[in-house]
Amino acid sequence: QQPVQSPQAVILREGEDAVINCSSSKALYSVHWYRQKHGEAPIFLMILLKGGEQKGHDKISASFNEKKQQSSLYLTASQLSYSGTYFCGTEDTGNQFYFGTGTSLTVIP
Amino acid sequence: NAGVTQTPKFRVLKTGQSMTLLCAQDMNHEYMYWYRQDPGMGLRLIHYSVGEGTTAKGEVPDGYNVSRLKKQNFLLGLESAAPSQTSVYFCASRTTGVNQPQHFGDGTRLSIL
Repeated sequence: QQPVQSPQAVILREGEDAVINCSSSKALYSVHWYRQKHGEAPIFLMILLKGGEQKGHDKISASFNEKKQQSSLYLTASQLSYSGTYFCGTEDTGNQFYFGTGTSLTVIP
Repeated sequence: NAGVTQTPKFRVLKTGQSMTLLCAQDMNHEYMYWYRQDPGMGLRLIHYSVGEGTTAKGEVPDGYNVSRLKKQNFLLGLESAAPSQTSVYFCASRTTGVNQPQHFGDGTRLSIL
């Protein structure tokens, strides 16, 4: 039931944009996004609760297509500080939480 | 506030030894989780708890036991450690309510020889 993310890894230059996709074979009731820097704990970015919902945090935003069981994370004008591994996640009706496979993002000068 | 604190940060065990990892949170959160993180596998849920005195199995519970005797503490036990349990273990907690964010500890790096 682990969501699948794509791409697995991406390298960007500062200022470039990126999209990270998260898809599930089962119904998604909500989508969480986290970022983890190397050697550190995951940090919460945002939660999307409704199909069609879009949220933004600084230059990072996300959308949630409930029908397609997909979510996408958009990073605009990337900064060096955006480097890390991004995880989507979802909670089922039994309170179990599943993280996605992860996307490694590296921003270079 | 300390948030979520994991003890110890590093540990090396021999196969067959036992140990307990401690997770403590000071945010009065009801929900607590134990994950393991392996290269290329992301974070996988081992066990979780929705309140004091309750525990439930996650995605990869075999070889682990947990206890939640006090609301602020969630213990993860390995009765007979195996090399396959070499991993980084993260504890997380969250407040009650639908779809609340999880707050993570700094992790415990465990190696089993």
